[in-house]
Amino acid sequence: GDSVTQMEGPVTLSEEAFLTINCTYTATGYPSLFWYVQYPGEGLQLLLKATKADDKGSNKGFEATYRKETTSFHLEKGSVQVSDSAVYFCALRRGRDDKIIFGKGTRLHILP
Amino acid sequence: GAGVSQSPSNKVTEKGKDVELRCDPISGHTALYWYRQSLGQGPEFLIYFQGTGAADDSGLPNDRFFAVRPEGSVSTLKIQRTERGDSAVYLCASSLELAGVADTQYFGPGTRLTVL
Repeated sequence: GDSVTQMEGPVTLSEEAFLTINCTYTATGYPSLFWYVQYPGEGLQLLLKATKADDKGSNKGFEATYRKETTSFHLEKGSVQVSDSAVYFCALRRGRDDKIIFGKGTRLHILP
Repeated sequence: GAGVSQSPSNKVTEKGKDVELRCDPISGHTALYWYRQSLGQGPEFLIYFQGTGAADDSGLPNDRFFAVRPEGSVSTLKIQRTERGDSAVYLCASSLELAGVADTQYFGPGTRLTVL
């Protein structure tokens, strides 16, 4: 079945460091890909998405590019802030009305 | 412009009791989803409603779990004869239907269920 695999955390970085969180997926067809973020004490929020191959999703300085050839959707940010500390989930959805399949999440800690 | 709301925010119950969890979707959203998030895991799909009917209930783990959405808005997830393994955060999401297809899912804050 469809699945998402993302790097295990926790990931600890210093402020202003470069961030990469790896994500690969297995799916039939052409799923939409997402990154969701869960800040401490808050609900899941959509961070960015891409709906077809080579699309780049971006938001709040984060970017991810839909790579069909490597079935990947790695999350990157050039300079992280303490406020980026959260749990990040990579996810996919096959159809626009279909369920979302999530990875296990990666906890990110940013040190001042 | 309220988001998805869920109640209660926390529920502690004893093994064997029944519980009901409520979800209020964003006004006008016709699609509603329930997910379950166990500690250290990503959310796992339970059931999806389009309007009043369950369009996909393939994620419900067994017949102790069922959900209703009688008027196409508020939904209730019911767990009968709870077990310790049911302890998790139960998330609700809703989405708008555009041209007959559900769009981005917006999540509520969740209900943390603890079964003692």
